[in-house]
Amino acid sequence: QIQLVQSGPELKKPGESVKISCKASGYTFTDYAMHWVKQAPGKGLKWMGWINTYTGKPTYADDFKGRFVFSLEASASTANLQISNLKNEDTATYFCATVDLSGLFDYWGQGVMVTVSS
Amino acid sequence: DIQMTQTPSSMPASLGERVTISCRASQGISNYLNWYQQKPDGTIKPLIYYTSNLQSGVPSRFSGSGSGTDYSLTISSLEPEDFAMYYCQQYDSSPLTFGSGTKLEIK
Repeated sequence: QIQLVQSGPELKKPGESVKISCKASGYTFTDYAMHWVKQAPGKGLKWMGWINTYTGKPTYADDFKGRFVFSLEASASTANLQISNLKNEDTATYFCATVDLSGLFDYWGQGVMVTVSS
Repeated sequence: DIQMTQTPSSMPASLGERVTISCRASQGISNYLNWYQQKPDGTIKPLIYYTSNLQSGVPSRFSGSGSGTDYSLTISSLEPEDFAMYYCQQYDSSPLTFGSGTKLEIK
């Protein structure tokens, strides 16, 4: 069965960087793009963008241009999200998810809680 | 960006009750509207795609409808496992946007 398994929680200081991974299994990794979604504590879902798992080309939503980088380790069926120069407002749970042909986020990772605190 | 306004933000309801959650888009989205359920442990499950199509494995007590800018999710008879957060999401245009969520609580 299709699974997206994300890395563990992170506690970072402002200004540091973090890299989150999302390992896919149960399907051909390059068949579906990988999307990233942010959920701040007690808040709703915000789409961050996506990466074409075939070409490696990332697309970022406007609010996530600059400090956010989507990357792949295709041989390991893994997508990564790196956030640099962390700020308090980056404290959130970050989800990876695949999107099917009907635009539905059909499979989700379990989410990674990133806490930024001095 | 298309703004998605969900109402109500919270809804107390009883087991067996019929409930409807609304989602209004800031412009027409041509039925490109999906619904999700998020449990307290954070797990997110897709429920409905393209306004009214039930995702595989989702109970038939869930249904969706709407057109233009106005959409809704209905649960015909609440079960204990249905008390959760619900989000709508449009995919008519980028950026993909979600509603602010509706918390379905036990009355």
